[in-house]
Amino acid sequence: AQTVTQSQPEMSVQEAETVTLSCTYDTSENNYYLFWYKQPPSRQMILVIRQEAYKQQNATENRFSVNFQKAAKSFSLKISDSQLGDTAMYFCAFSGYGGSQGNLIFGKGTKLSVKP
Amino acid sequence: DGGITQSPKYLFRKEGQNVTLSCEQNLNHDAMYWYRQDPGQGLRLIYYSQIVNDFQKGDIAEGYSVSREKKESFPLTVTSAQKNPTAFYLCASTSYTGEPTGELFFGEGSRLTVL
Repeated sequence: AQTVTQSQPEMSVQEAETVTLSCTYDTSENNYYLFWYKQPPSRQMILVIRQEAYKQQNATENRFSVNFQKAAKSFSLKISDSQLGDTAMYFCAFSGYGGSQGNLIFGKGTKLSVKP
Repeated sequence: DGGITQSPKYLFRKEGQNVTLSCEQNLNHDAMYWYRQDPGQGLRLIYYSQIVNDFQKGDIAEGYSVSREKKESFPLTVTSAQKNPTAFYLCASTSYTGEPTGELFFGEGSRLTVL
């Protein structure tokens, strides 16, 4: 069975600095999706960034980028120029292809606090 | 605007009562999901449905039931058999049309408290 592990329950960063959130996963599949979701205090889950395992290039979305290491089964999220609005819970998630697409497996989350 | 609507946002229930959480989507998505969120536990899959009139159990289905009579709707019933129902419940959906992305779109959630 697939598992997702986030080893940092809480992190903090000063505004405008850079922070990296860690995620490791375990799977025997070769093709899959990886995601980072953000859950602010409003509790709405918002997709931050998505990576397809067959793509070697790391995904980027504005200030957010990932370091995807397929062999090491590692998928970290880097937030550059942190802003107060980045304060939230961040969840790493895994999804298989095909019939299991959409059946996301989530890590337990990292609570990020951005301090002014 | 297209999206997923969950209701009610907050619900209180006495022990022994069944309660139904509503989830409606107007995104024309094929599949719908129910997740449960507890502090420090991440999100765990309760049930999912990939097509109308069909649904599958997730990792923690005991004490829950669902139906999918319409593509847009996927209500979740929390029964009295659920031993610890106090939690935050999230509904989500995804489309199988076009290039697959695997992405789930979420509603704003329902907070259930058992008194």
